[in-house]
Amino acid sequence: AIQMTQSPSSVSASVGDRVTITCRASQGIRNDLGWYQQKPGQAPKLLIYAASTLQTGVPSRFSGSGSGTDFTLIISSLQPEDFATYYCLQDYNYPRTFGQGTKVEIK
Amino acid sequence: EVQLLESGGGLVQPGGSLRLSCVASEFTFNTFAMSWVRQATGKGLEWVSTISAGSTGTYYADSVKGRFTISRDNSKNMLYLQMNSLRAEDTAVYHCARGRLGGVKDQFDYWGQGTLVTVSS
Repeated sequence: AIQMTQSPSSVSASVGDRVTITCRASQGIRNDLGWYQQKPGQAPKLLIYAASTLQTGVPSRFSGSGSGTDFTLIISSLQPEDFATYYCLQDYNYPRTFGQGTKVEIK
Repeated sequence: EVQLLESGGGLVQPGGSLRLSCVASEFTFNTFAMSWVRQATGKGLEWVSTISAGSTGTYYADSVKGRFTISRDNSKNMLYLQMNSLRAEDTAVYHCARGRLGGVKDQFDYWGQGTLVTVSS
């Protein structure tokens, strides 16, 4: 199974900060990667698919990049509603594998 | 608006069985692959299983292979997860989720709120 390693596991940031989360795959997965946001008590929400394509309705302060094994999610200017846990997911092959998550906390 | 609503969770003893259901609405169910994803309390997301739109393909995590069976009834817009030989480590909230473009190879664009399964004596 492909291992997805996210870093950092948590980050403390202030409103307006730029936040960068990375996800590394244990083997090349082309651009078959998505990013999700999950708030406590809620279902995950798809933010980005195909590594860099913004899902409909997602604010443009979210962006994704990368291909092969290294991927990045950037929140350009953190907003109060962005404090949540973020996960990457590879859809290159089965079994599907998620990263372990990155919790974005208020500084 | 697409809706996914899970049911069937509850408390079950180790070794027991449970069948989860997910009813879908407001989209053409029989053209989308569907999946189950679980999350233990305070832990990360874990993909469990996926079924193709026409039930021709099914996929399972190694942790549930041979114990869980995914199925669907397109005439009823229903997705199921039959869980047998349950273990304590299967305790989690189970979400159903839709594949974004319909095929088995894609991200999940809609999720249900989940149903809690607790395996304990």
